[in-house]
Amino acid sequence: QVQLVESGGGVVQPGRSLKLSCAASGFPFKEHGMHWVRQAPGKGLEWVAIIWYDGSNKLYADSVRGRFTISRDNSKEMVYLQMDSLKIEDTAVYYCVRGYFSGTWPFDYWGQGTLVTVSS
Amino acid sequence: DVVMTQSPLFLPVTLGQPASISCRSSQSLVHSDGNTYLNWFQQRPGQSPRRLFYQVSNRDSGVPDRFSGSGSGTDFTLKISRVEAEDVGVYYCMQGTHWPPWTFGQGTKVEIK
Repeated sequence: QVQLVESGGGVVQPGRSLKLSCAASGFPFKEHGMHWVRQAPGKGLEWVAIIWYDGSNKLYADSVRGRFTISRDNSKEMVYLQMDSLKIEDTAVYYCVRGYFSGTWPFDYWGQGTLVTVSS
Repeated sequence: DVVMTQSPLFLPVTLGQPASISCRSSQSLVHSDGNTYLNWFQQRPGQSPRRLFYQVSNRDSGVPDRFSGSGSGTDFTLKISRVEAEDVGVYYCMQGTHWPPWTFGQGTKVEIK
């Protein structure tokens, strides 16, 4: 069965960095694009970033562009989110979400999320 | 960016009664390929979001048939024919036609009266 397991969340001071990881299993990972979506405490969902199946293209929300970097390692079936220059408003649960591949439609599987708290 | 507007934001319902959530987009969600990329998600308390529908009305596996998705262009609706206790949570619409970014509605909180 499809599994997405995020890790790496924690408490970090403003201006510092944190790297999130997402371990994927149960599907042909190297064929799928992958997204990160976040949810601030008590708030709605916000798309953060996408990486193409082969890592050839990456897109970001305006709110994180230039500070966050999405990457993947298909040999390890992992996707990452490097978060630099963190701001208090980056505090959220970060979800790893499966993207598109032929015959499937994106956002069909979500991880359990990892909480990032940016606080001094 | 496409703005997704849901209404109502809070929906108290009686068990066994119907419920309806509206989602409107700031521009048509019909893609140049002819498809309409509008999804619905359910987020139960303390859980991750779960997709219910893709492309407006295609129900995901395991979603009860009391749920239905409909609409076109800029106006979409999620309906629950008879609300059950397990349907409590927040429901989101999301567009995947005009990206980036993929954009979500604000969410509609469904609770039992």
